[in-house]
Amino acid sequence: DVKVTQSSRYLVKRTGEKVFLECVQDMDHENMFWYRQDPGLGLRLIYFSYDVKMKEKGDIPEGYSVSREKKERFSLILESASTNQTSMYLCASRTVQGDSYGYTFGSGTRLTVV
Amino acid sequence: GENVEQHPSTLSVQEGDSAVIKCTYSDSASNYFPWYKQELGKRPQLIIDIRSNVGEKKDQRIAVTLNKTAKHFSLHITETQPEDSAVYFCAARYSSASKIIFGSGTRLSIRP
Repeated sequence: DVKVTQSSRYLVKRTGEKVFLECVQDMDHENMFWYRQDPGLGLRLIYFSYDVKMKEKGDIPEGYSVSREKKERFSLILESASTNQTSMYLCASRTVQGDSYGYTFGSGTRLTVV
Repeated sequence: GENVEQHPSTLSVQEGDSAVIKCTYSDSASNYFPWYKQELGKRPQLIIDIRSNVGEKKDQRIAVTLNKTAKHFSLHITETQPEDSAVYFCAARYSSASKIIFGSGTRLSIRP
């Protein structure tokens, strides 16, 4: 029962390309997040969105932008891909209803920039 | 700033022994501390969490302890099994935002 879906599992892009990573959740969650995962650095927050059309920078937003036009979809955009953006990208969502703070993660997109 | 430190980065234990992973956090107002397990090639999954009004929580072979004074919390896995091999992440929810900050991860290996 996949609830957070990332459109691509693997991507290879060229330096300078504009890259779109898509994330869709079917749980009606208000909050959505984009993390990148690198060995020894854990999960670092790039951007997050409290609700539709709302976005906020995380810890490493440089070189990225996001779009949340619909509640279920949160897109991460690499304006001009660079080799240091080669990484695993994880999308997550959570609800603000009730007292659960737990995140649900997607399966990840492994992006290679050549 | 907001920070979560996690140790060790790698841990190898004999099957059947216990494993302990420790984390510290910087914001004394943090109120929620989840632990995630990520098996090879899979997404992180929440395995246990604890809130700041509780000192310890257990779920079968897994337990988490929280020391608010020292600002650290730990994951304890007893009677380890091969399926416990994974990367484990601790995290802390900072009071100022909805986001949570993750530790750098611990790669746990269970030796047969």
